[in-house]
Amino acid sequence: DAGVTQSPTHLIKTRGQHVTLRCSPISGHKSVSWYQQVLGQGPQFIFQYYEKEERGRGNFPDRFSARQFPNYSSELNVNALLLGDSALYLCASRYAGGQETQYFGPGTRLLVL
Amino acid sequence: EDQVTQSPEALRLQEGESSSLNCSYTVSGLRGLFWYRQDPGKGPEFLFTLYSAGEEKEKERLKATLTKKESFLHITAPKPEDSATYLCAVQGVSGGYNKLIFGAGTRLAVHP
Repeated sequence: DAGVTQSPTHLIKTRGQHVTLRCSPISGHKSVSWYQQVLGQGPQFIFQYYEKEERGRGNFPDRFSARQFPNYSSELNVNALLLGDSALYLCASRYAGGQETQYFGPGTRLLVL
Repeated sequence: EDQVTQSPEALRLQEGESSSLNCSYTVSGLRGLFWYRQDPGKGPEFLFTLYSAGEEKEKERLKATLTKKESFLHITAPKPEDSATYLCAVQGVSGGYNKLIFGAGTRLAVHP
């Protein structure tokens, strides 16, 4: 079975632009979470979606938004990009139903110039 | 506030030299403690989930253990291919959703 997939793999944007990152969960997984990982640090939680509803939000500004589609894939949108938004953005999926383990995708490397 | 601290920040081992990585945590009701391996520029790869104190899990040269305040990842006779950053994360009951709190990781280098 395919794991979590993310697109694009790399992205270069300039300050003030908007970006959309995409994630497809493992087949059968209904929960998707987004994390931001800055170089040298552990991932930080941004959002969790389950059954197309936002279930949790981390300490990120309103420039960050996300949604989940009927097929459980998800998009993360970031508006008005800042240099500090440069990071590896990770998507993780979870089966739910008592299974707590989250499985991560390869990530999207975003560079803001 | 839920928190995870990993030590050491970096560890250099000779091939075959066993050691342990530490993960200390504070959490309001542990729903799970997770170990991941991360290679440079890639996403974290799942290793283990531990749910309660006293639990142990093994996979090849790795063994994870859990107490009420910390977890250890024991590496027995490591090989160069074990070189990676090892991340520890916890999930607590607060918030009612599946938020992982990560430590900063331990960078492991195994030399031949």
